[in-house]
Amino acid sequence: DAGITQSPRHKVTETGTPVTLRCHQTENHRYMYWYRQDPGHGLRLIHYSYGVKDTDKGEVSDGYSVSRSKTEDFLLTLESATSSQTSVYFCAISESTGLTQETQYFGPGTRLLVL
Amino acid sequence: DAKTTQPPSMDCAEGRAANLPCNHSTISGNEYVYWYRQIHSQGPQYIIHGLKNNETNEMASLIITEDRKSSTLILPHATLRDTAVYYCIVRVAMNSGYSTLTFGKGTMLLVSP
Repeated sequence: DAGITQSPRHKVTETGTPVTLRCHQTENHRYMYWYRQDPGHGLRLIHYSYGVKDTDKGEVSDGYSVSRSKTEDFLLTLESATSSQTSVYFCAISESTGLTQETQYFGPGTRLLVL
Repeated sequence: DAKTTQPPSMDCAEGRAANLPCNHSTISGNEYVYWYRQIHSQGPQYIIHGLKNNETNEMASLIITEDRKSSTLILPHATLRDTAVYYCIVRVAMNSGYSTLTFGKGTMLLVSP
């Protein structure tokens, strides 16, 4: 399995509080991703990074920000958590082998409950 | 960029081959087809990918039709631990010009004793 850890694995927070989720990799892969997974929606891309300090928005980026100050860490921040952000969050990494090839490897996930 | 269509659910008896179909009729010539699976409460797991030739690894085989409009993932001897949601995926271009994977709803495969 790819060396990907996510922390915390579970979190309960209150509406309006800031929350930061961390993804850490030991594979030295260039690309990192944050997804959320909700019943009936499958996996949806929030933000991704294509290098240190290089990030871009995904499909559902509103209410989220990210930062990547070093290759191994990709942080996802909910500036002011809302109940609609209750979800399971997955981090993924990849090292593209070309313009059309990409294999992503996923972390174990973080379950976030916003009350 | 292509999108995929999969049946929402399938059943398979333990020890038998599981054949999971996927339609990707709008796939372009340089797009790979990827298969992932997600066992309950775990992160998605990469299975296999291919362009136009059939592919096999220790987990599964991937059969891609000659016109590349559909593919089939084959688990040759399904076990109870293969019960999972299986995703057939192609890449989608992002605004930055970078392409990445887009997960649909997949097929729920239930392997029974």
